[in-house]
Amino acid sequence: TQLLEQSPQFLSIQEGENLTVYCNSSSVFSSLQWYRQEPGEGPVLLVTVVTGGEVKKLKRLTFQFGDARKDSSLHITAAQPGDTGLYLCAGRLPGGGYQKVTFGTGTKLQVIP
Amino acid sequence: EPEVTQTPSHQVTQMGQEVILRCVPISNHLYFYWYRQILGQKVEFLVSFYNNEISEKSEIFDDQFSVERPDGSNFTLKIRSTKLEDSAMYFCASSEDRGASEAFFGQGTRLTVV
Repeated sequence: TQLLEQSPQFLSIQEGENLTVYCNSSSVFSSLQWYRQEPGEGPVLLVTVVTGGEVKKLKRLTFQFGDARKDSSLHITAAQPGDTGLYLCAGRLPGGGYQKVTFGTGTKLQVIP
Repeated sequence: EPEVTQTPSHQVTQMGQEVILRCVPISNHLYFYWYRQILGQKVEFLVSFYNNEISEKSEIFDDQFSVERPDGSNFTLKIRSTKLEDSAMYFCASSEDRGASEAFFGQGTRLTVV
């Protein structure tokens, strides 16, 4: 059983289209991060959300943390070929000694020019 | 902009050999991590390190693995006797504190065990 499930696993869209990627769990997270990873490179942090219901915008990317802090979504408006990559959500579970970040299963996005 | 740096970028080793992967975390960060990603699979937590000791480790981090901060700047991951299944990308990360603080990742070391 995966702690953090992402959907869809793969997404191929045309340039200019909108898309939403989902990250779901049955566990409550103290914070959740979204990363983008290019092939052969490390994950690059896009955003951290902490408060239930929080919405953050990063240019054409909109991130939302669910009210119950169990899920999150990433919405991309007018996708561009440069958005192509692997999108990972990652969460920290609450608790004093819990430092590790648990990664989701990933969504591979391809934006076709 | 501060970044986590890892060396080497690619390491090829024979099965049974020892390897040391090196990382220089961001200078004011206090928490350090190693993760690995087997080709085509998800990023998996290995170990976290704080105040010169392991604070948490996963079931993957068995007796063959060890971590060290030998000189106050480098953070190393040692695999004593490599196995074929240790082939993966190994990512070092660091964070300012625990809790909500985000972790910043290095570019990774691709370890190939032959």
